[in-house]
Amino acid sequence: TQLLEQSPQFLSIQEGENLTVYCNSSSVFSSLQWYRQEPGEGPVLLVTVVTGGEVKKLKRLTFQFGDARKDSSLHITAAQPGDTGLYLCAGVRTNAGKSTFGDGTTLTVKP
Amino acid sequence: DTGVSQDPRHKITKRGQNVTFRCDPISEHNRLYWYRQTLGQGPEFLTYFQNEAQLEKSRLLSDRFSAERPKGSFSTLEIQRTEQGDSAMYLCASSSQGVHLADTQYFGPGTRLTVL
Repeated sequence: TQLLEQSPQFLSIQEGENLTVYCNSSSVFSSLQWYRQEPGEGPVLLVTVVTGGEVKKLKRLTFQFGDARKDSSLHITAAQPGDTGLYLCAGVRTNAGKSTFGDGTTLTVKP
Repeated sequence: DTGVSQDPRHKITKRGQNVTFRCDPISEHNRLYWYRQTLGQGPEFLTYFQNEAQLEKSRLLSDRFSAERPKGSFSTLEIQRTEQGDSAMYLCASSSQGVHLADTQYFGPGTRLTVL
């Protein structure tokens, strides 16, 4: 059983479109991270959210942490081909130390 | 560059051989993590250290795997008697425990292992 479920698994859109990807769990996390990963490279941190209901913006990316700290979403406005990649969410449970990852959403933005 | 570094970036070996990977964390980070990632999946936790102490090991980490962090700085991950199923990307990450936004892990570029 996957602790963190990400959806959709694959997403292919045209440049300029908006999109939202989701990260859901039945567990409560003390913090949650979103990463973007290119093929053959390690994940690169985009954001950390720690407070229930928190919203963070990073240029065209908007991240939201659920009120109960069990889920999160990533919204991209006016997607660009450079946004193409694997988007991973990872949660850390209180005192757990390690991160638990979802299997990611593979995003392809076509010019 | 003051990020997490890993060496080598790629390793091809024959089944049954031993391999060792190195990770150098961000210098002020006291926690270091090892993960394994296979195609189409997210990273899976293997083990982590706080300073030189190994605090947790996953059940994924069989007896053929051993990790060390002797001086609380760099770490090594050794796989003995490699099997084809060990082929994966091995990722190292580090974090600073006890700081605001603690447990945010920063990843290295990974070591791609191919076992023939």
